[in-house]
Amino acid sequence: EAGVTQSPTHLIKTRGQQVTLRCSPISGHTSVYWYQQALGLGLQFLLWYDEGEERNRGNFPPRFSGRQFPNYSSELNVNALELEDSALYLCASSSLAPNEQFFGPGTRLTVL
Amino acid sequence: GQSLEQPSEVTAVEGAIVQINCTYQTSGFYGLSWYQQHDGGAPTFLSYNALDGLEETGRFSSFLSRSDSYGYLLLQELQMKDSASYFCAVKPGNTPLVFGKGTRLSVIA
Repeated sequence: EAGVTQSPTHLIKTRGQQVTLRCSPISGHTSVYWYQQALGLGLQFLLWYDEGEERNRGNFPPRFSGRQFPNYSSELNVNALELEDSALYLCASSSLAPNEQFFGPGTRLTVL
Repeated sequence: GQSLEQPSEVTAVEGAIVQINCTYQTSGFYGLSWYQQHDGGAPTFLSYNALDGLEETGRFSSFLSRSDSYGYLLLQELQMKDSASYFCAVKPGNTPLVFGKGTRLSVIA
């Protein structure tokens, strides 16, 4: 069974640019979660999608947005990048046991 | 709101036992989970406690006391490969998991 996949693995952008990160959940999982992990810090919840709808949103500005497609894959969009957006962006998926989330390898975003 | 407290760093000797504590304060509670994350890697699920008591999985055990809003992860027969960050997480309700800031475990020879 394939795990959660994310693309790209690394990304370098400059301030003010926009970025799109992609995530494919484990087959059969309908929920996708996005987290931001700045260097040396914990996981900050960004967004939760389930069955194509946004279910919950963390304490992040509106320039962080996303969507979930009919095949349950998901995109995270970040507009007007700022230096502090440099972080590892993790995607996780779960089925009906949401206490167990399966994480992808992450996308390392560097904003210069 | 939700908050979780866990030590930022713990150091232990190879072969020893280490306990990582987690206290939480949440508006609702559906269970306490533990995740392991090696440097540069993704978090991986270790254990989940919904009810009071001890859950054992090989060298790792996890404990929960709902009345004390407290849990811990116990790692036995420590190995160098156990050096990683360990996160506790709670699910307050129909919301995603809320993670603690993580405990960095260093296993020394």
